[in-house]
Amino acid sequence: DSGVTQTPKHLITATGQRVTLRCSPRSGDLSVYWYQQSLDQGLQFLIQYYNGEERAKGNILERFSAQQFPDLHSELNLSSLELGDSALYFCASSGEGEGETQYFGPGTRLLVL
Amino acid sequence: AQSVTQLDSHVSVSEGTPVLLRCNYSSSYSPSLFWYVQHPNKGLQLLLKYTSAATLVKGINGFEAEFKKSETSFHLTKPSAHMSDAAEYFCVVRGGGFQKLVFGTGTRLLVSP
Repeated sequence: DSGVTQTPKHLITATGQRVTLRCSPRSGDLSVYWYQQSLDQGLQFLIQYYNGEERAKGNILERFSAQQFPDLHSELNLSSLELGDSALYFCASSGEGEGETQYFGPGTRLLVL
Repeated sequence: AQSVTQLDSHVSVSEGTPVLLRCNYSSSYSPSLFWYVQHPNKGLQLLLKYTSAATLVKGINGFEAEFKKSETSFHLTKPSAHMSDAAEYFCVVRGGGFQKLVFGTGTRLLVSP
């Protein structure tokens, strides 16, 4: 158990809908990262937050957004969902330093029908 | 930009025989390299990491990896495979001035009795 929690574990929804994925980092970790794992794109970095502020952006679509709250949990919002958004979404967290390891949560599996 | 190439999409071994999963990296400066493992329907677990200390890195479950700058390689090895090692393995490089991780395409390790 990494100490990172994600809810829900599974999500089934329809095209055009909006969903919110939630992540709670390990105790004391200030950084949260979101990654997407799909069959065609592999594992890709989406976005990083550090202590409530966006720090880095990767291949995140404009239809997707994220935020980190004062209690350090983070939410990834996916809107206007398309079939191709079906994937496993991982959250990871790490401490402050440059060399800090990222610990991954169990992921949320999203299926868009 | 940092990248990693995993040279084999699948590796099959018999239980009790050695494991070799190959990874080459590309980086404009001294990289931080990781191996993560993903068991079926599970999250990503850190096996080991290299951050410019000793070139031979020991990880969990008997795995180790050697950083070879001259060959730009970071291959993962284990002397004797166990059935429980069957999983997907990802070679990962940490990207640039940011903390984001760049994943390889993964190697699926199959272990037969």
